[in-house]
Amino acid sequence: AQSVTQLGSHVSVSEGALVLLRCNYSSSVPPYLFWYVQYPNQGLQLLLKYTSAATLVKGINGFEAEFKKSETSFHLTKPSAHMSDAAEYFCAVSIHGGSQGNLIFGKGTKLSVKP
Amino acid sequence: EAQVTQNPRYLITVTGKKLTVTCSQNMNHEYMSWYRQDPGLGLRQIYYSMNVEVTDKGDVPEGYKVSRKEKRNFPLILESPSPNQTSLYFCASSLVSPYNSPLHFGNGTRLTVT
Repeated sequence: AQSVTQLGSHVSVSEGALVLLRCNYSSSVPPYLFWYVQYPNQGLQLLLKYTSAATLVKGINGFEAEFKKSETSFHLTKPSAHMSDAAEYFCAVSIHGGSQGNLIFGKGTKLSVKP
Repeated sequence: EAQVTQNPRYLITVTGKKLTVTCSQNMNHEYMSWYRQDPGLGLRQIYYSMNVEVTDKGDVPEGYKVSRKEKRNFPLILESPSPNQTSLYFCASSLVSPYNSPLHFGNGTRLTVT
C-alpha cells in the first residue's frame, strides 16, 4: 500500500532562510505526489503536484519540489522564507491508475518562521 | 464565490446522539470526500464519492455514514457518536478526482463528543 512519511513534525527557520520540508513516499507503482498547505483555522489548499512530467515542480508562493525516484523523495523547498509562510504543510500521494479517490496524506510538518 | 461550505463550524454533543455535518459545494464538482484531522495523525480519509450515488470507504470509515443523493451535497452522519470521534472534520471536493484536479477544502467542523 502507498504511504508518505514527513520527517519532522515541526521545522523552524529564520525569515530569509532556506525552507526544506522533507517527504518520502512508498509506492510500488508510479505515484502522483502533492504538497498542500494549511494556514491557521483554514482548510488545506494545493501548493503543487507531480504527475510524471517534469521532476522539478514549481508551485505557488515561490515553493518548488523535486521528485527523486532513486530516493523515493519529494522534498519541498523555498529559497527565502517569509513570515507569511508559517503554516502546516502536508505531503500526499495518489497512485496513478489506482483508486482515483484515495489520496493519502502525511502527518504534516508545522513551519514556524522567526523574524 | 466558488466554495465548499460545511456546517456547523463547532459542535458539542453527547455520546450516542445522532448528528449530521453538512457539506455543500457550488463548483459542480464530481468528487467529494470527508477527512478527519487529529494531532500527530494528519488527515485521514473517512469516505469519498466519485459521483452521485457512488460512495467508497476511505481509511477510517468505522462509525460514519455518508450519502450522495445530489452532486452538490455530501453529508457526514454519525449514527451513535463516541468520544474517539472528537476531531476536526474537513469536507473537500475536486472537479474529477484529487489526482488530476486540486482538492478544495471547507473551513472545517470541530466536533467534541462527551
